[in-house]
Amino acid sequence: QSVLTQPPSVSGAPGQRVTISCTGSSSNIGADYDVHWYQQLPGTAPKLLIYVNSNRPSGVPDRFSGSKSGTSASLAITGLQVEDEADYYCQSYDSSLRVVVFGGGTKLTVL
Amino acid sequence: QVQLVQSGAEVKRPGASVKVSCAASGYTFTTYDISWVRQAPGQGLEWMGWISTNNGNTNYAQKVHGRVTLTRDTSTSTAYMELRGLTSDDTAVYYCARGNYRSGYEYWGQGTLATVSS
Repeated sequence: QSVLTQPPSVSGAPGQRVTISCTGSSSNIGADYDVHWYQQLPGTAPKLLIYVNSNRPSGVPDRFSGSKSGTSASLAITGLQVEDEADYYCQSYDSSLRVVVFGGGTKLTVL
Repeated sequence: QVQLVQSGAEVKRPGASVKVSCAASGYTFTTYDISWVRQAPGQGLEWMGWISTNNGNTNYAQKVHGRVTLTRDTSTSTAYMELRGLTSDDTAVYYCARGNYRSGYEYWGQGTLATVSS
C-alpha cells in the first residue's frame, strides 16, 4: 500500500465539482512537506497540475485547485469536463523513509 | 522549449540489465535535478531515485537500492538509469522527470517501456 492514501476512484457529471483526498502522516504531509498533484491521461506521461500545495503551473486552468491541512491534502476540480477523465496522483516527501512518495492514484470518471 | 527525450523500448531476459537514457534540451542541464519514476502495467507511480546533475550526488529508493545506478553526462546533457538483476516485477514504463520533491516534477520524458520476459 502507498504511504499517501487516495481514493481509488471518484466520479462526477459534466459541470460538477469533485475533490480527491490525499492522506499522509506525521512523517510526510504532517511534517510540513509540500504536496504536488499530477494528471495522467491514458498512455501519456504524468503532467504537473498543482505544485507546492496550491499553485498552478502556467497553462493549467483555474478549475483545478489544491489545498493542504494537517496530514492531508486535497485536489478540487470544478466545472468538470469530459477531458478531465484521467488518473490523478499526489506526491510528497517522507522524512522517515527518506524518499519521494506518491499516492496510489485516483481514477476520475466523468459520467 | 524544455524537452526530455528518452531511449526506446527494451526487452530483456530475467537477470539481465537495462540502461535507459534521458536527453535534456532547452535549459541548462546542471541547474535542475533529475528523478526516475516507474509505472508497472496498470499500477501507480513509484519513485526510484534522484541525481543531482550538478555534482552527481544520488539518492535511491530502498526497494531498488543496490540494483539501480543513476549517472549523468554533463557534456551531452543526458541522464542515465541502469537497473540490474531484472525480474518480471521490473516490467514497467520508466520515466525521467526534471525537478525535486520540493518543487514537484514539471517536465517528464515520454517514458520507456522495459519488458522483462523469458
